[in-house]
Amino acid sequence: EPEVTQTPSHQVTQMGQEVILRCVPISNHLYFYWYRQILGQKVEFLVSFYNNEISEKSEIFDDQFSVERPDGSNFTLKIRSTKLEDSAMYFCASSSRDRNTGELFFGEGSRLTVL
Amino acid sequence: QKEVEQDPGPLSVPEGAIVSLNCTYSNSAFQYFMWYRQYSRKGPELLMYTYSSGNKEDGRFTAQVDKSSKYISLFIRDSQPSDSATYLCAMSVGNSGNTPLVFGKGTRLSVIA
Repeated sequence: EPEVTQTPSHQVTQMGQEVILRCVPISNHLYFYWYRQILGQKVEFLVSFYNNEISEKSEIFDDQFSVERPDGSNFTLKIRSTKLEDSAMYFCASSSRDRNTGELFFGEGSRLTVL
Repeated sequence: QKEVEQDPGPLSVPEGAIVSLNCTYSNSAFQYFMWYRQYSRKGPELLMYTYSSGNKEDGRFTAQVDKSSKYISLFIRDSQPSDSATYLCAMSVGNSGNTPLVFGKGTRLSVIA
């Protein structure tokens, strides 16, 4: 069964460092997303990406964040200068063009710990 | 008022019990309602998807939406230990690929054999 894969599963970094989280969405999907979940909190939308550009982003997704689809298979989230409050589980998701089923396929997440 | 409210539990029930999970919301623009299940250390997976008010049944799961009360429910019949997970309600104002999902905090369910 096709699945969304994410790397790394866990990354520990120092405050102020740059971090890149990587995702391989399901191959025939066209919409890509990043969500995050701070420990004990809700899953929160960060950004959606379609046709090689950002289609929606939340207030959380400020200038420190960027996304890229560098090679047609990978989808990356970059945090330029990490803060303590960026510590969270980051989920990549993808969906097919037809969202009528409401189904986003989520990866297993990348846990980011900022020290 | 928070946009989507969900009792975080934890909820512990014996095997075979009927489980009722609920969310309330404040934004009347929400039209699409989902329930996701999240096992420990995994990403959420879609269980049920409903549009507008009414009931939808899929096996042991029934999703119910009452838009007039801004209240959605998920019922699990004949609950099994394998149902032990966190259940997240989610909703959106549209169903296009761009539309963000807004999640509840999740209810942690344990089904005891």
